Amino acid sequence: DAGVIQSPRHEVTEMGQEVTLRCKPISGHNSLFWYRQTMMRGLELLIYFNNNVPIDDSGMPEDRFSAKMPNASFSTLKIQPSEPRDSAVYFCASSFNGRRGYEQYFGPGTRLTVT
Amino acid sequence: AQKVTQAQTEISVVEKEDVTLDCVYETRDTTYYLFWYKQPPSGELVFLIRRNSFDEQNEISGRYSWNFQKSTSSFNFTITASQVVDSAVYFCALSEGTDKLIFGTGTRLQVFP
Repeated sequence: DAGVIQSPRHEVTEMGQEVTLRCKPISGHNSLFWYRQTMMRGLELLIYFNNNVPIDDSGMPEDRFSAKMPNASFSTLKIQPSEPRDSAVYFCASSFNGRRGYEQYFGPGTRLTVT
Repeated sequence: AQKVTQAQTEISVVEKEDVTLDCVYETRDTTYYLFWYKQPPSGELVFLIRRNSFDEQNEISGRYSWNFQKSTSSFNFTITASQVVDSAVYFCALSEGTDKLIFGTGTRLQVFP
């Protein structure tokens, strides 16, 4: 079975440009999570969805960040405009049934570099 | 407030040594879940184990074992006869009340040949 799929795997962009990260969760999973990992702050949860509905976006750093989940098999995380401090690895994860206690399975991540 | 502490920032061992990674958690819930994830140099996060608060039985999977002790709020991870392929960052995480995982800061394990 395919795991969580993320694209692109690497993204280099200039400050001020719009960046869109994509995620396809594991089929049958109905919770989806977006994380950011940096050396300084470790792993941070940005937002998560259950049944395509955003449940908690308290980790989204600012209005420049937005996330959507139009259907059960696709989600995007958009940064507009991007800034150098957004450089990080962004992970998408999914879990089964949205119940607490279920393990999350992570995608390979997107390494974003903003110059 | 929930919190996960991995006090060991980095551990270095020589192959075949046993190594224990410590995890201490804080929670007010009586029902909670604990997890371990592995992040090898390639970068992906790999799920290793889940344990719920009602099950204090130790778990063994090959060279990996986990010791859950509610009395000390610890969920420690031991690798027996370590191998170079075990080199990675290991994260402990806690889930309580919601789907959110609270991660520790990770322990970097380096296994030298």
